[in-house]
Amino acid sequence: NAGVTQTPKFQVLKTGQSMTLQCAQDMNHEYMSWYRQDPGMGLRLIHYSVGAGITDQGEVPNGYNVSRSTTEDFPLRLLSAAPSQTSVYFCASSYSYTRPLEGYTFGSGTRLTVV
Amino acid sequence: QQQVKQSPQSLIVQKGGISIINCAYENTAFDYFPWYQQFPGKGPALLIAIRPDVSEKKEGRFTISFNKSAKQFSLHIMDSQPGDSATYFCAASPNQGGKLIFGQGTELSVKP
Repeated sequence: NAGVTQTPKFQVLKTGQSMTLQCAQDMNHEYMSWYRQDPGMGLRLIHYSVGAGITDQGEVPNGYNVSRSTTEDFPLRLLSAAPSQTSVYFCASSYSYTRPLEGYTFGSGTRLTVV
Repeated sequence: QQQVKQSPQSLIVQKGGISIINCAYENTAFDYFPWYQQFPGKGPALLIAIRPDVSEKKEGRFTISFNKSAKQFSLHIMDSQPGDSATYFCAASPNQGGKLIFGQGTELSVKP
């Protein structure tokens, strides 16, 4: 049981390049989300999904796209990377959107640097 | 605009002391308040959580105190240990939904 798996762990991009951060969970969790972590800013919600085929924007969605074609996978796409997107990205999932008491399971993160 | 404000940003405590981290929120629709613990190089993990129908919840050395009228809640770590050194995040969630909103984080260092 791997939990939430994020790939890659590290990535360096040039400004203007695009890439996809992968997130997969094997717990049959309904709810998945992406956060970015920046010093002094905490964890900020980028996009989230309450089930396959359903996605919505969080606090800081600009410059990112998501899709949820299966329950297991929730990739995050950077359309045209900018230095402001240098951050640590975390994928998190939970059993149900309406039962947060069970807590989120976080992946180990992707450290992205845009030069 | 930060919906959940956390302080202090960093905290140094001696072994055996009490660590206190505070959070404040504005949205009265929030009804679930968890704390997450994050070690370097790892993702955050749920530590303890509270709903506003109780004023305090204790799990081992960790206690959440909740003041609904002041819209504030805090984490107390009793008998702090070097192994507690981590970053702590408070968070809040609106009625009946996930979509956790996190505070800015507190980097705790417990000195031996």
